[in-house]
Amino acid sequence: EVQLVESGGGVVQPGGSLKLSCSASGFLFSDFAIHWVRQASGRGLEWVGRIRSQDNGYATEYAASAKGRFTISRDDSENTAYLQMNRLKTEDRAVYYCCRAISGNTIWLDPWGQGTLVTVSS
Amino acid sequence: DIQMTQSPSSLSASVGDRVTITCRASQSISIYLNWYQQKPGKAPKLLIYATSSLQSGVPSRFSGSGSGTDFTLTISSLQPEDFATYYCQQSYSPPYTFIFGQGTKLEIK
Repeated sequence: EVQLVESGGGVVQPGGSLKLSCSASGFLFSDFAIHWVRQASGRGLEWVGRIRSQDNGYATEYAASAKGRFTISRDDSENTAYLQMNRLKTEDRAVYYCCRAISGNTIWLDPWGQGTLVTVSS
Repeated sequence: DIQMTQSPSSLSASVGDRVTITCRASQSISIYLNWYQQKPGKAPKLLIYATSSLQSGVPSRFSGSGSGTDFTLTISSLQPEDFATYYCQQSYSPPYTFIFGQGTKLEIK
């Protein structure tokens, strides 16, 4: 079964840092890009960023809200992707999902992990 | 950045109804449009990719169409398990922003 499991969420003070993990199983992790998407309570989905595969140079792209504060990385030997979040703001409070990206004639996200909650509060 | 606008934001319908949700892009995105379903407290689930391709395991009552800037998700005969929030997402690149629409909440009438 193809599966993604996020971990590392929790409570952090404004200005603090947190590193989320996305552990993958059931597929050849190194072949796929991994995206991060977040959802604030009662709100819609917001794309955070992605990291491409080694074949694509581990290139990363970020949403404007994440650029300069968040860093996505991966360890293919551990089948794990990471989202390092620095200088956290109250508005970063959300459930964070990781997703596998499938590339065909376009790109789509499947599956999604169950999400991990990040709370930014003093 | 490409912006995605869904309509309506919410919709009330009955079991058996035919429902259409619209997604409009601020510029042409060819067929680079996906649809996801999210139920309360759950992660989103892929329904349709590349405008009209049904994800494996998704019932055939779901269909997608469109191209350029205007896209639709149609549910031909609503079932009780279809009441959820639906999101469109563009995957046109560059500029690699993968923006989502704001969502359409489908509720039971």
